[in-house]
Amino acid sequence: QQQVKQSPQSLIVQKGGISIINCAYENTAFDYFPWYQQFPGKGPALLIAIRPDVSEKKEGRFTISFNKSAKQFSLHIMDSQPGDSATYFCAGGVNQGGKLIFGQGTELSVKP
Amino acid sequence: GAVVSQHPSWVICKSGTSVKIECRSLDFQATTMFWYRQFPKQSLMLMATSNEGSKATYEQGVEKDKFLINHASLTLSTLTVTSAHPEDSSFYICSAPGQGLWEQYFGPGTRLTVT
Repeated sequence: QQQVKQSPQSLIVQKGGISIINCAYENTAFDYFPWYQQFPGKGPALLIAIRPDVSEKKEGRFTISFNKSAKQFSLHIMDSQPGDSATYFCAGGVNQGGKLIFGQGTELSVKP
Repeated sequence: GAVVSQHPSWVICKSGTSVKIECRSLDFQATTMFWYRQFPKQSLMLMATSNEGSKATYEQGVEKDKFLINHASLTLSTLTVTSAHPEDSSFYICSAPGQGLWEQYFGPGTRLTVT
């Protein structure tokens, strides 16, 4: 199974709140899990990524939590800001520089 | 971070014509590039893997004769949509692995509208 399942489809958060997006995968060969941020009409931009040998990675306000046994990973955005309003995609990849399989996307709206 | 560009950023063509989209890695070399298609409010769907100096690898269900891919140099891959139809209207995005190899960087996308 190549699928990556992402939820929720849309999310509304108040400014300063925590945004949480979840993903689950089936393919145990995946060894790279990036998160991308996409604004309307633009290409996706790499936000943060994790490999399965660690359970958590934090970069600024963004944290990935990874549960290898459950085959799940999540993105936490702390102190969410209106500028974070965008669509977020998780993905799974195999091997260095290999193709990525994307989740369905989450449209995040941060209300001021 | 690595920069990937696409040209054109948007194009309108008539049904039955062909259109070429370019994807360039500006400050690094890429032996592999990927082409995705994205319909409005939907996810990115991988179309094919472009390999420098060899044939592209297409995902299941993607017509290789309709979506011609050429990767003639280490910095340029092209996608040609042949005999375009309105249902080919979409946002086409390319990506390439950066110098660190794990990270993939995406181009800004090309909006294709077929009338």
